[in-house]
Amino acid sequence: QVQLQESGPGLVKPSQTLALTCSVSGGSISSGDSYWSWIRQHPGKGLEWIGYIHYSGSTYYNPSLESRVTISVDTSKNQFSLKVTSVTAADTAVYFCARAPSKSADWFDPWGQGTLVTVSS
Amino acid sequence: DIVMTQSPDSLAVSLGERATINCKSSQSVLSSSNNKNYLAWYQQKAGQPPKVLIYWAFTRESGVPDRFSGSGSGTDFTLTISSLQAEDVAVYYCQQYSSTPLTFGQGTRLEIK
Repeated sequence: QVQLQESGPGLVKPSQTLALTCSVSGGSISSGDSYWSWIRQHPGKGLEWIGYIHYSGSTYYNPSLESRVTISVDTSKNQFSLKVTSVTAADTAVYFCARAPSKSADWFDPWGQGTLVTVSS
Repeated sequence: DIVMTQSPDSLAVSLGERATINCKSSQSVLSSSNNKNYLAWYQQKAGQPPKVLIYWAFTRESGVPDRFSGSGSGTDFTLTISSLQAEDVAVYYCQQYSSTPLTFGQGTRLEIK
């Protein structure tokens, strides 16, 4: 079955760019109608959808983050990525990647294990 | 944005007893075109990612025990655990996928009494 794994730096300095990659195994990122998603969870808090991408390149972002967020896909590597620019301490969170089955059925399954990103100088 | 509000924030239930978690959306998540409620429930255990339990408001994900059930329509939904087991200790979230931005409830922490 499909498995996802996040990777990237665990510490980012304020004002810099956070960059994470999600590697997909057990299935092709290019198959079907799946939307490949990023979700974050601030320490001890709830879940915030960041955005998602279809392998065709079609993207949807949370308007609250849209000005600072880019999600891209690399079908040759079976990966998709997240960039968040101009980070502050408020971007400290566990970042999850996940799959939504389709644009009209966008619950999330499966999820990666998550990676903690701390924004600090 | 559709705001999802769960109640209660935390809940303590005895083993074998029923647990009920509520979720209310600020707008209806029922589609008039297909009569489906765009509502999912997740379970998140400590140190783990969330796991989907239910989607379309009441369709149980494969492998999820049948003690978990979802109900409701429109703006009011309920997740019920019919007989609480020790392994059900977790935080539970509802999520709407009726419109973007996709949004989650604040979570309900379920503990053993």
